[in-house]
Amino acid sequence: NAGVMQNPRHLVRRRGQEARLRCSPMKGHSHVYWYRQLPEEGLKFMVYLQKENIIDESGMPKERFSAEFPKEGPSILRIQQVVRGDSAAYFCASSSSERTEAFFGQGTRLTVV
Amino acid sequence: EDQVTQSPEALRLQEGESSSLNCSYTVSGLRGLFWYRQDPGKGPEFLFTLYSAGEEKEKERLKATLTKKESFLHITAPKPEDSATYLCAVQAGTSGSRLTFGEGTQLTVNP
Repeated sequence: NAGVMQNPRHLVRRRGQEARLRCSPMKGHSHVYWYRQLPEEGLKFMVYLQKENIIDESGMPKERFSAEFPKEGPSILRIQQVVRGDSAAYFCASSSSERTEAFFGQGTRLTVV
Repeated sequence: EDQVTQSPEALRLQEGESSSLNCSYTVSGLRGLFWYRQDPGKGPEFLFTLYSAGEEKEKERLKATLTKKESFLHITAPKPEDSATYLCAVQAGTSGSRLTFGEGTQLTVNP
């Protein structure tokens, strides 16, 4: 049973470009979460999705960031017009229900140059 | 606002020297408290979930306990492979499913 799969593991973008981060949840999990870990800071919640629905996006910056979890395929976190401050590790997690433990992927490390 | 504070920030132990990590929390209606381990360059690895005061969970050299205000992660006779950052997170009744994390305790176990 494969774990949470994230790709790419490392992503380098120039300022102003778009970044697309992908996450395939564990088999049987329909709840997906995205967290961001800035250098020397803790993990911060960004967004919670179920299939085709955004349940909680209270941690997502209002501009340039969007997330989706389509009926088919992985969840996507999209960052438009990236800036240096977006450089961070982005982690995806999945769970089988709202109240059970979430399992994390290995993260995508975004570097904006 | 949910808050999680972990102490100490960093801890150095000798192999075999037992100790405890602390996680203090302030939430509105705790649904669950979670402990994770994170190695450098990796994602957090799930360790334990605790749901109510008085609950305890054990796994190998680790034991997690929970009171109404804090949780402890006790490490008995640690080994160098236990070196990692240990993260505590809470899930609150008013915050839906999201986790609020502390900043972690970086544990180093010297041989």
